Amino acid sequence: QQQVKQSPQSLIVQKGGISIINCAYENTAFDYFPWYQQFPGKGPALLIAIRPDVSEKKEGRFTISFNKSAKQFSLHIMDSQPGDSATYFCAASIDNQGGKLIFGQGTELSVKP
Amino acid sequence: AAGVIQSPRHLIKEKRETATLKCYPIPRHDTVYWYQQGPGQDPQFLISFYEKMQSDKGSIPDRFSAQQFSDYHSELNMSSLELGDSALYFCASSSTSQETQYFGPGTRLLVL
Repeated sequence: QQQVKQSPQSLIVQKGGISIINCAYENTAFDYFPWYQQFPGKGPALLIAIRPDVSEKKEGRFTISFNKSAKQFSLHIMDSQPGDSATYFCAASIDNQGGKLIFGQGTELSVKP
Repeated sequence: AAGVIQSPRHLIKEKRETATLKCYPIPRHDTVYWYQQGPGQDPQFLISFYEKMQSDKGSIPDRFSAQQFSDYHSELNMSSLELGDSALYFCASSSTSQETQYFGPGTRLLVL
């Protein structure tokens, strides 16, 4: 059973456009929600993260929107660039249970020039 | 800045052989996590250690074992390898003072 559900599975965006990736979770005990970027053959790298007491967090071109009541959160990539082409994973964890990350299924983003 | 180091980066083994994967966390990080990522899959949590003690266990086969040593490096031991064990194995480290997990470059294991 996938505890964190991510969509879409793949996404094609034109350069300069906005990329939006969505995630939903069931376990209300989750209290930390990071987004990771992964290039082929590389390890996941943290992009941005949020806690449930905040509804939005922005870092540069990356924004997380968080809806606690709907148990959903999303990643927005503004002014998408070809260099953003990668696989993006949302994740969730519970701090007082060791912090293991539960990942979504991943979204393969392709930004066309 | 120092990153998580994993060795070897690539490993080819035959069925029923054993493999040992090593992870060197970022200096002063006291927590290590192991994840397995199959082709086109999301990373799956295997096991974690905090201050050299096992802190959590996920979907890790009984054929696998792991430990964290006094210098905080960790080793994942895999025995009786099966074809289905072929995957990328990532180690991540974190400090108890922050929640961010930093991932290593991974070890690509191929079981023939």
